Amino acid sequence: DADVTQTPRNRITKTGKRIMLECSQTKGHDRMYWYRQDPGLGLRLIYYSFDVKDINKGEISDGYSVSRQAQAKFSLSLESAIPNQTALYFCATSDSMQETQYFGPGTRLLVL
Amino acid sequence: GNSVTQMEGPVTLSEEAFLTINCTYTATGYPSLFWYVQYPGEGLQLLLKATKADDKGSNKGFEATYRKETTSFHLEKGSVQVSDSAVYFCALSPWGGGNKLTFGTGTQLKVEL
Repeated sequence: DADVTQTPRNRITKTGKRIMLECSQTKGHDRMYWYRQDPGLGLRLIYYSFDVKDINKGEISDGYSVSRQAQAKFSLSLESAIPNQTALYFCATSDSMQETQYFGPGTRLLVL
Repeated sequence: GNSVTQMEGPVTLSEEAFLTINCTYTATGYPSLFWYVQYPGEGLQLLLKATKADDKGSNKGFEATYRKETTSFHLEKGSVQVSDSAVYFCALSPWGGGNKLTFGTGTQLKVEL
């Protein structure tokens, strides 16, 4: 079984709709991250959490919110989706003692 | 702020050719440096890393050396295979920790028979 899972893997939604992307991990890591990937822009950090009670904005947090429901779960919400949020979204985890991040398989989101 | 610059792709090579993908960085102090690889339809996975100057990271025939004097971490492989076709990302983690990675834009590699 995969250590970092994301649901859904693909999603099509309409402008203005609320959508939630979910991430779960079985690695026992305390740190979790959400990134978006756009062609030609690499990966950009949306939000990150170093602990269940710790939530921090990344470089592109506008239009997004997150919830850390448990050490193993970190959800990303788009309160009112817009077309330029069409992208590939990745969740990642890391241990506070190591710098290596472990990525989920990604969620491909299309906002019409 | 921190930044990573890597060569644009796509890079197209014949099987068994030599590969170099350039990566330079801007950061204070001594960041840790990484190469991640993304195979089609998958998430990123760590390929190799180096945590201090002059360290060489290596894995699966790929190598990269942390050059503080040129702020570079170029990825090399002596003989590429079709199975190496993927997107390669250079990244840094800032000095002092924090685990927040800054990524380059990625370089797509296509290896043909």
